[in-house]
Amino acid sequence: EAGVAQSPRYKIIEKRQSVAFWCNPISGHATLYWYQQILGQGPKLLIQFQNNGVVDDSQLPKDRFSAERLKGVDSTLKIQPAKLEDSAVYLCASSQVPGEPQHFGDGTRLSIL
Amino acid sequence: DQQVKQNSPSLSVQEGRISILNCDYTNSMFDYFLWYKKYPAEGPTFLISISSIKDKNEDGRFTVFLNKSAKHLSLHIVPSQPGDSAVYFCAASVIAGNQFYFGTGTSLTVIP
Repeated sequence: EAGVAQSPRYKIIEKRQSVAFWCNPISGHATLYWYQQILGQGPKLLIQFQNNGVVDDSQLPKDRFSAERLKGVDSTLKIQPAKLEDSAVYLCASSQVPGEPQHFGDGTRLSIL
Repeated sequence: DQQVKQNSPSLSVQEGRISILNCDYTNSMFDYFLWYKKYPAEGPTFLISISSIKDKNEDGRFTVFLNKSAKHLSLHIVPSQPGDSAVYFCAASVIAGNQFYFGTGTSLTVIP
């Protein structure tokens, strides 16, 4: 089966600019996650979708981050405006149902100048 | 507040020997635990899991042990191979809940 697809792989922007990441989960996976992994730390959940509904966004900085999964398949995560502390790898993951092991994409490495 | 901790940032082991990676957690509600393996520039890959009704789960060269009273789990790799060199993350969740909490990772180097 095809894995979780993410793009772009790398992005460099200046602070206060906006950026968007795209994720296409494994076919048939209803649950989609976005994680932020800062260098030297483990992945931290930003938002979880079940189909096109938000299940958990308690750790999403909503003043600058937004995410959507309009048709219950692929998803977009946006940051506007970006801050220096947003430099991280943004990982998308999916699973068939919540609570089972997740399949991760290779991530987008974001650098803020 | 870090609910899942991996206190060893790195570990080096000779090929053929046993690798033991440790993980501690603070939330007694956690009842499902996983280990992920991550190569550079790739996403984490699921390795093995264990639920709190067991104290051991084995899959080939990989065995996970769970000590609920100590809130501690460990991953044993026997025998270790150079291809096992990667960063290993442990993660925990409440099965009925939604969120997985990850540790900070241990970088394993297997020396040929």
